[in-house]
Amino acid sequence: EPEVTQTPSHQVTQMGQEVILRCVPISNHLYFYWYRQILGQKVEFLVSFYNNEISEKSEIFDDQFSVERPDGSNFTLKIRSTKLEDSAMYFCASIGTPWGEQFFGPGTRLTVL
Amino acid sequence: AQSVTQPDIHITVSEGASLELRCNYSYGATPYLFWYVQSPGQGLQLLLKYFSGDTLVQGIKGFEAEFKRSQSSFNLRKPSVHWSDAAEYFCAVGESNYGGSQGNLIFGKGTKLSVKP
Repeated sequence: EPEVTQTPSHQVTQMGQEVILRCVPISNHLYFYWYRQILGQKVEFLVSFYNNEISEKSEIFDDQFSVERPDGSNFTLKIRSTKLEDSAMYFCASIGTPWGEQFFGPGTRLTVL
Repeated sequence: AQSVTQPDIHITVSEGASLELRCNYSYGATPYLFWYVQSPGQGLQLLLKYFSGDTLVQGIKGFEAEFKRSQSSFNLRKPSVHWSDAAEYFCAVGESNYGGSQGNLIFGKGTKLSVKP
């Protein structure tokens, strides 16, 4: 069964460092998402991406964040200068059509020290 | 703005007992509603969804949910819980503007389900 994969599973970084979280969506999907979940809190939408551009972003997704689909398979989330409050689980999701099922990856746990 | 409320943070039920997890939403138009389950260390798996039509929706793993517009609720139910159902359950509402957000979800805070033997 096709699945969304994410690497790494856990990333530890120092405050102020750049991190790139990687996702491989399901191969024929066209819409891509990043969500995050701070420990003990709810899952929050960050950004959606379609046709090589951002479709929508939340207020969390400020200038420190960027997304890219550098090739036909990867979908990345970059945090330019990490802050302590960026520590969270980051989930990637993809769907084939606007209202199809969103398939979520297992997440990357980001710890900022 | 849309919001989702799951009033129960943690529920414990006995194996074989029935289960109901509550979800209330706030949304101006007809909502698109989802229930996801998250096992420890795993991603989110879709249990079921409601877009329109029959207000009682059947999902995977024996779960069902009922959309009640008058109560702004979409409660998840299972008649007989199995130990493997222990997980965290998230209710979510999706945007209904096809021309806009293309399906980003607003999640509740989740309900952790524990199952005792």
